[in-house]
Amino acid sequence: DIQMTQSPSSLSASVGDRVTITCQASQDISNYLNWYQQKPGKAPKLLIYDASNLETGVPSRFSGSGSGTDFTFTISSLQPEDIATYYCQQYDNLPFTFGQGTRLEIK
Amino acid sequence: EVQLVESGGGLVKPGGSLRLSCAASGFTFSSYSMNWVRQAPGKGLEWVSSISSSSSYIYYADSVKGRFTISRDNAKNSLYLQMNSLRAEDTAVYYCARWAGTKTDYWGQGTLVTVSS
Repeated sequence: DIQMTQSPSSLSASVGDRVTITCQASQDISNYLNWYQQKPGKAPKLLIYDASNLETGVPSRFSGSGSGTDFTFTISSLQPEDIATYYCQQYDNLPFTFGQGTRLEIK
Repeated sequence: EVQLVESGGGLVKPGGSLRLSCAASGFTFSSYSMNWVRQAPGKGLEWVSSISSSSSYIYYADSVKGRFTISRDNAKNSLYLQMNSLRAEDTAVYYCARWAGTKTDYWGQGTLVTVSS
């Protein structure tokens, strides 16, 4: 199975800050990576697909980059409604494995 | 509007069985592969199973292989997960989700399965 390692596991930042989360795959997954946001008690929501494509309707402050084994998710200017846990997921090979999640809090 | 509504969760004893359902609407169900993804309390997301649009291809996580069976009825716009020989570690919220080729783009609200004596 492909292991996905996310860092950090938790993050505290101020409104307006630039926030970056990284995800590392245990083997080359090309750009077969998605990013999801999950708010407490809610289902995950797709933000970024194919490593860098913004899902329709998602604010442009969210972005993704990377290929191969190293990926980055960025919020350019943190908003209060961005408080959530963020997950990366690879779909290069089954099982479709997720990172362990990054819990984002407001400072 | 795409909607996925899970049902069938509940409390079951270890070794018991449960059948989850997912009712889909707002899109051509028969054109999409579907997934089940679960989340244990306070834990991360775990992919459980996938089924292709015509049921030709079916995949399971090793953790559920031989115990869970995914199926679908395209005439009823419904996805199912038959869960047998349930264990405490199967306790989780189970989400059904649409797979759009390269992304899981829509998720249901989830249904809670609790395995406990």
